[in-house]
Amino acid sequence: EMQLLESGGGLVQPGGSLRLSCAASGFTFSSFSMSWVRQTPGKGLEWVSEINDSGDSTDYADSVKGRFTISRDNSKNTLYVQMNSLRADDTAVYYCAKVFGGYFDLWGRGTLVTVSS
Amino acid sequence: DIQMTQSPSSVSASVGDRVTITCRASQGVSSWLAWYQQKPGKTPKVLIYATSNLRGGVPSRFSGSGSGTDFTFTISSLQPEDFATYYCQQTDRLPRTFGQGTKVEIK
Repeated sequence: EMQLLESGGGLVQPGGSLRLSCAASGFTFSSFSMSWVRQTPGKGLEWVSEINDSGDSTDYADSVKGRFTISRDNSKNTLYVQMNSLRADDTAVYYCAKVFGGYFDLWGRGTLVTVSS
Repeated sequence: DIQMTQSPSSVSASVGDRVTITCRASQGVSSWLAWYQQKPGKTPKVLIYATSNLRGGVPSRFSGSGSGTDFTFTISSLQPEDFATYYCQQTDRLPRTFGQGTKVEIK
């Protein structure tokens, strides 16, 4: 069964840092681009970042560019996002998602990031 | 960036009703559009990709149409398990963008 499992969320102060991980299983992780998508509590979906299958091409939403860094370790079937200079408006549930044809065909359960003093 | 605008933001309907949601892109995306369903406390689930193609296991009461900038998502006969929020997403180019969602509520 294909599965994605995020970890690393929690409470962090404004200006702080956090690294999220996403462990993949049940499919050939190294063959697919992967994304992070976030959802503010009670609100909609916002694409955050994407990395290609080999890890040598990345893209970011303007709202996180320069603060977030996406990466992957295909030997460990794991996706990461390093989040620095966190702000209150980064508070959200962060999902990792498998990209297929530009859409997201597999989602993790999400991990909650709360930025607050 | 391509902006995606859904309407309505919410709709109240009864079991058996036909429900239609529209999604408009600020630039043409050809047929590169997907639709997701999200139930409360659950992960989004893709229902339709490339405008009108149903993912495996998705009931045929769900359908999609359109091209370019204007798209429609239809539930032909609303079932109790269909009460959820629905999102469109353009899959044409980065940055990937979603509509703001349409909540389908029980009337």
